[in-house]
Amino acid sequence: EDQVTQSPEALRLQEGESSSLNCSYTVSGLRGLFWYRQDPGKGPEFLFTLYSAGEEKEKERLKATLTKKESFLHITAPKPEDSATYLCAVQAQYKLIFGSGTRLLVRP
Amino acid sequence: SQTIHQWPATLVQPVGSPLSLECTVEGTSNPNLYWYRQAAGRGLQLLFYSVGIGQISSEVPQNLSASRPQDRQFILSSKKLLLSDSGFYLCASAAVAGVREQFFGPGTRLTVL
Repeated sequence: EDQVTQSPEALRLQEGESSSLNCSYTVSGLRGLFWYRQDPGKGPEFLFTLYSAGEEKEKERLKATLTKKESFLHITAPKPEDSATYLCAVQAQYKLIFGSGTRLLVRP
Repeated sequence: SQTIHQWPATLVQPVGSPLSLECTVEGTSNPNLYWYRQAAGRGLQLLFYSVGIGQISSEVPQNLSASRPQDRQFILSSKKLLLSDSGFYLCASAAVAGVREQFFGPGTRLTVL
Protein backbone atom coordinates (compact mmCIF):
# COMPACT_ATOMS: atom_id res chain seq x y z
CA GLU A 1 0.00 0.00 0.00
CA ASP A 2 1.30 3.47 -0.91
CA GLN A 3 2.11 5.43 2.21
CA VAL A 4 3.79 8.67 3.29
CA THR A 5 4.99 9.35 6.84
CA GLN A 6 6.33 12.71 7.99
CA SER A 7 8.37 13.45 11.09
CA PRO A 8 8.45 15.18 13.41
CA GLU A 9 4.80 16.18 13.76
CA ALA A 10 5.86 19.53 15.17
CA LEU A 11 9.17 21.36 15.35
CA ARG A 12 10.10 24.51 17.22
CA LEU A 13 13.25 26.36 16.20
CA GLN A 14 14.93 29.56 17.17
CA GLU A 15 15.53 32.00 14.35
CA GLY A 16 18.78 30.98 12.64
CA GLU A 17 18.69 27.40 13.98
CA SER A 18 18.95 25.07 10.97
CA SER A 19 17.14 21.73 10.90
CA SER A 20 15.59 19.08 8.66
CA LEU A 21 12.12 17.64 8.13
CA ASN A 22 11.73 14.01 7.11
CA CYS A 23 9.34 12.35 4.66
CA SER A 24 9.47 8.54 4.41
CA TYR A 25 7.51 6.85 1.65
CA THR A 26 6.56 3.50 0.21
CA VAL A 27 5.16 3.58 -3.31
CA SER A 28 5.23 1.20 -6.23
CA GLY A 29 7.22 3.05 -8.86
CA LEU A 30 7.92 6.59 -7.67
CA ARG A 31 6.91 9.09 -10.35
CA GLY A 32 7.41 12.20 -8.30
CA LEU A 33 7.72 13.47 -4.73
CA PHE A 34 6.28 16.87 -3.88
CA TRP A 35 6.79 19.36 -1.07
CA TYR A 36 4.18 21.97 -0.16
CA ARG A 37 3.97 24.76 2.37
CA GLN A 38 0.61 25.49 4.02
CA ASP A 39 -0.17 28.56 6.09
CA PRO A 40 -3.12 28.44 8.53
CA GLY A 41 -6.47 28.76 6.78
CA LYS A 42 -4.96 28.67 3.29
CA GLY A 43 -4.45 26.13 0.54
CA PRO A 44 -1.08 24.38 0.17
CA GLU A 45 1.54 26.24 -1.85
CA PHE A 46 3.70 24.15 -4.18
CA LEU A 47 7.43 24.22 -3.39
CA PHE A 48 9.34 21.41 -5.15
CA THR A 49 9.06 18.29 -7.25
CA LEU A 50 11.77 15.62 -7.03
CA TYR A 51 11.89 12.82 -9.59
CA SER A 52 14.77 10.48 -8.77
CA ALA A 53 17.14 9.51 -5.97
CA GLY A 54 20.04 11.91 -5.60
CA GLU A 55 18.14 14.89 -6.90
CA GLU A 56 18.22 18.17 -4.96
CA LYS A 57 16.29 21.42 -5.35
CA GLU A 58 16.67 24.74 -3.57
CA LYS A 59 14.54 27.79 -2.96
CA GLU A 60 15.78 30.54 -0.68
CA ARG A 61 16.43 28.90 2.73
CA LEU A 62 14.88 25.57 1.72
CA LYS A 63 16.59 22.60 0.12
CA ALA A 64 14.84 19.33 -0.70
CA THR A 65 16.71 16.06 -1.24
CA LEU A 66 15.55 12.59 -2.26
CA THR A 67 16.73 9.03 -1.63
CA LYS A 68 15.06 5.76 -2.58
CA LYS A 69 13.11 5.66 0.68
CA GLU A 70 12.84 9.21 1.97
CA SER A 71 13.10 12.90 1.34
CA PHE A 72 14.43 15.66 3.52
CA LEU A 73 13.51 19.32 3.59
CA HIS A 74 16.48 21.19 4.99
CA ILE A 75 15.85 24.65 6.41
CA THR A 76 18.96 26.80 6.73
CA ALA A 77 18.95 29.76 9.12
CA PRO A 78 15.15 29.91 9.30
CA LYS A 79 13.22 33.12 9.89
CA PRO A 80 9.86 33.54 11.65
CA GLU A 81 8.15 33.86 8.26
CA ASP A 82 9.15 30.25 7.52
CA SER A 83 6.65 29.15 10.18
CA ALA A 84 4.04 26.96 8.47
CA THR A 85 3.01 23.36 7.98
CA TYR A 86 5.14 21.53 5.42
CA LEU A 87 3.45 18.71 3.52
CA CYS A 88 5.07 15.91 1.54
CA ALA A 89 3.28 13.85 -1.12
CA VAL A 90 4.09 11.10 -3.63
CA GLN A 91 2.41 10.50 -6.95
CA ALA A 92 0.44 7.28 -7.38
CA GLN A 93 -1.22 7.12 -10.82
CA TYR A 94 -3.64 10.05 -11.00
CA LYS A 95 -3.44 10.80 -7.31
CA LEU A 96 -1.10 12.30 -4.75
CA ILE A 97 -0.70 10.52 -1.43
CA PHE A 98 -0.06 13.08 1.31
CA GLY A 99 1.64 12.80 4.66
CA SER A 100 0.09 14.47 7.68
CA GLY A 101 2.65 17.27 7.66
CA THR A 102 5.20 18.87 9.99
CA ARG A 103 4.16 22.04 11.82
CA LEU A 104 7.16 24.33 11.99
CA LEU A 105 7.34 27.26 14.39
CA VAL A 106 10.33 29.60 14.18
CA ARG A 107 10.67 31.93 17.13
CA PRO A 108 12.46 35.28 16.86
CA SER B 1 0.28 29.51 -14.59
CA GLN B 2 -2.87 28.06 -13.13
CA THR B 3 -5.24 29.94 -10.85
CA ILE B 4 -7.84 28.05 -8.84
CA HIS B 5 -10.89 29.84 -7.47
CA GLN B 6 -13.12 28.48 -4.75
CA TRP B 7 -16.26 29.85 -3.19
CA PRO B 8 -17.55 30.49 -0.74
CA ALA B 9 -14.52 31.05 1.49
CA THR B 10 -16.44 30.17 4.64
CA LEU B 11 -19.81 28.53 5.20
CA VAL B 12 -21.87 27.68 8.27
CA GLN B 13 -24.71 25.27 7.62
CA PRO B 14 -27.21 23.39 9.81
CA VAL B 15 -27.27 19.62 9.91
CA GLY B 16 -29.51 18.22 7.18
CA SER B 17 -29.14 21.18 4.84
CA PRO B 18 -27.79 20.85 1.28
CA LEU B 19 -24.31 21.87 0.17
CA SER B 20 -22.75 23.15 -3.02
CA LEU B 21 -19.11 24.20 -3.24
CA GLU B 22 -17.71 25.44 -6.52
CA CYS B 23 -14.22 25.38 -7.98
CA THR B 24 -13.11 26.96 -11.24
CA VAL B 25 -9.69 26.86 -12.85
CA GLU B 26 -7.96 29.39 -15.11
CA GLY B 27 -4.80 29.13 -17.13
CA THR B 28 -4.97 25.51 -18.23
CA SER B 29 -7.09 23.21 -20.37
CA ASN B 30 -8.37 19.71 -19.68
CA PRO B 31 -6.84 19.48 -16.21
CA ASN B 32 -7.28 16.68 -13.72
CA LEU B 33 -9.36 18.08 -10.86
CA TYR B 34 -9.50 17.00 -7.23
CA TRP B 35 -11.51 17.60 -4.07
CA TYR B 36 -9.79 17.13 -0.73
CA ARG B 37 -10.95 17.52 2.85
CA GLN B 38 -8.58 18.50 5.63
CA ALA B 39 -9.60 18.04 9.27
CA ALA B 40 -7.97 20.32 11.85
CA GLY B 41 -4.29 19.42 12.27
CA ARG B 42 -4.55 16.53 9.84
CA GLY B 43 -3.39 15.65 6.36
CA LEU B 44 -5.34 15.91 3.15
CA GLN B 45 -7.95 13.25 2.45
CA LEU B 46 -8.76 12.79 -1.24
CA LEU B 47 -12.53 12.73 -1.78
CA PHE B 48 -13.01 12.81 -5.56
CA TYR B 49 -11.00 13.24 -8.71
CA SER B 50 -11.94 13.85 -12.31
CA VAL B 51 -9.97 13.32 -15.51
CA GLY B 52 -12.59 14.93 -17.75
CA ILE B 53 -16.09 16.34 -18.12
CA GLY B 54 -18.64 14.04 -16.50
CA GLN B 55 -15.92 11.63 -15.28
CA ILE B 56 -15.84 11.34 -11.50
CA SER B 57 -13.99 8.84 -9.31
CA SER B 58 -14.85 8.55 -5.63
CA GLU B 59 -12.15 7.67 -3.15
CA VAL B 60 -14.16 7.48 0.06
CA PRO B 61 -17.81 6.36 0.37
CA GLN B 62 -19.63 9.17 2.14
CA ASN B 63 -22.36 11.73 2.20
CA LEU B 64 -20.87 13.81 -0.61
CA SER B 65 -20.92 13.79 -4.39
CA ALA B 66 -19.03 15.64 -7.12
CA SER B 67 -19.77 16.77 -10.63
CA ARG B 68 -17.80 18.28 -13.48
CA PRO B 69 -20.22 20.03 -15.83
CA GLN B 70 -17.50 21.94 -17.71
CA ASP B 71 -13.81 21.39 -18.41
CA ARG B 72 -12.63 23.82 -15.74
CA GLN B 73 -15.49 23.62 -13.25
CA PHE B 74 -15.73 21.15 -10.39
CA ILE B 75 -18.59 21.06 -7.88
CA LEU B 76 -18.86 19.31 -4.51
CA SER B 77 -22.38 18.65 -3.25
CA SER B 78 -24.41 17.06 -0.53
CA LYS B 79 -28.15 16.57 -0.16
CA LYS B 80 -28.05 16.46 3.64
CA LEU B 81 -25.05 17.58 5.65
CA LEU B 82 -23.80 15.71 8.71
CA LEU B 83 -21.80 17.09 11.62
CA SER B 84 -18.87 15.00 10.41
CA ASP B 85 -18.83 16.90 7.11
CA SER B 86 -17.25 19.90 8.84
CA GLY B 87 -13.75 20.66 7.64
CA PHE B 88 -11.57 22.56 5.23
CA TYR B 89 -12.33 21.69 1.61
CA LEU B 90 -9.67 22.16 -1.02
CA CYS B 91 -9.88 21.98 -4.78
CA ALA B 92 -6.76 21.17 -6.77
CA SER B 93 -5.79 21.08 -10.42
CA ALA B 94 -3.05 19.17 -12.23
CA ALA B 95 -1.85 19.03 -15.81
CA VAL B 96 -2.80 15.88 -17.67
CA ALA B 97 0.60 15.01 -19.11
CA GLY B 98 3.79 14.18 -17.25
CA VAL B 99 4.47 14.37 -13.55
CA ARG B 100 1.46 16.00 -12.10
CA GLU B 101 2.16 18.45 -9.33
CA GLN B 102 -1.16 19.74 -8.06
CA PHE B 103 -1.99 23.38 -7.48
CA PHE B 104 -4.50 24.24 -4.81
CA GLY B 105 -7.23 26.78 -4.39
CA PRO B 106 -7.68 28.92 -1.26
CA GLY B 107 -10.13 26.47 0.32
CA THR B 108 -13.61 26.62 1.87
CA ARG B 109 -14.04 26.36 5.63
CA LEU B 110 -17.32 24.46 6.27
CA THR B 111 -18.85 24.30 9.72
CA VAL B 112 -21.92 22.13 10.20
CA LEU B 113 -23.90 22.91 13.35
